[in-house]
Amino acid sequence: GQNIDQPTEMTATEGAIVQINCTYQTSGFNGLFWYQQHAGEAPTFLSYNVLDGLEEKGRFSSFLSRSKGYSYLLLKELQMKDSASYLCAVRDNNAGNMLTFGGGTRLMVKP
Amino acid sequence: GAVVSQHPSRVICKSGTSVKIECRSLDFQATTMFWYRQFPKQSLMLMATSNEGSKATYEQGVEKDKFLINHASLTLSTLTVTSAHPEDSSFYICSARVLQVDSPLHFGNGTRLTVT
Repeated sequence: GQNIDQPTEMTATEGAIVQINCTYQTSGFNGLFWYQQHAGEAPTFLSYNVLDGLEEKGRFSSFLSRSKGYSYLLLKELQMKDSASYLCAVRDNNAGNMLTFGGGTRLMVKP
Repeated sequence: GAVVSQHPSRVICKSGTSVKIECRSLDFQATTMFWYRQFPKQSLMLMATSNEGSKATYEQGVEKDKFLINHASLTLSTLTVTSAHPEDSSFYICSARVLQVDSPLHFGNGTRLTVT
């Protein structure tokens, strides 16, 4: 099985930077994904890491350390519309390359 | 980019009736589609993996006779919730992936099912 842990809730201020951490344990790691999900909507893809290091996409960056089983999603210049749940998901090649999702982090951006 | 269409977006039904949810990949072929369920303030839980031309693979604890999955073509998978009960009320989301191994899942817009 897989254990994926991320904080349940976070609050940050508009214009600031926030880091959402995700730790995982899996036997056949084959990639980590971050998704954004607004309330009542389906998740949308944000980023993908399979090698160690930082992937940057505009205001969003994602980091991976496979040896530590750790990833973070970094959101810069926060906007009110960034208030959403952020889901960390791990793909396991010992499980048919299926994705298993963490519980999600509900981020609230305040003015 | 890859688009997944899910229909209906919202359905209210009476207890004991059956509801069918459709999931289509619009601009790519998906030999495999995934069905997730999400209860309020919880994460996505994989229910089953739908395989084109063969039987679906269900996750532990998911009743295959209650949640019927049909994947008759490379672009369409359906989930039928049979004899629905109020506890089946949830957000059901389908997803699919293009063939490349590092491609992300693309999600449908989800179906909000309310059983009264």
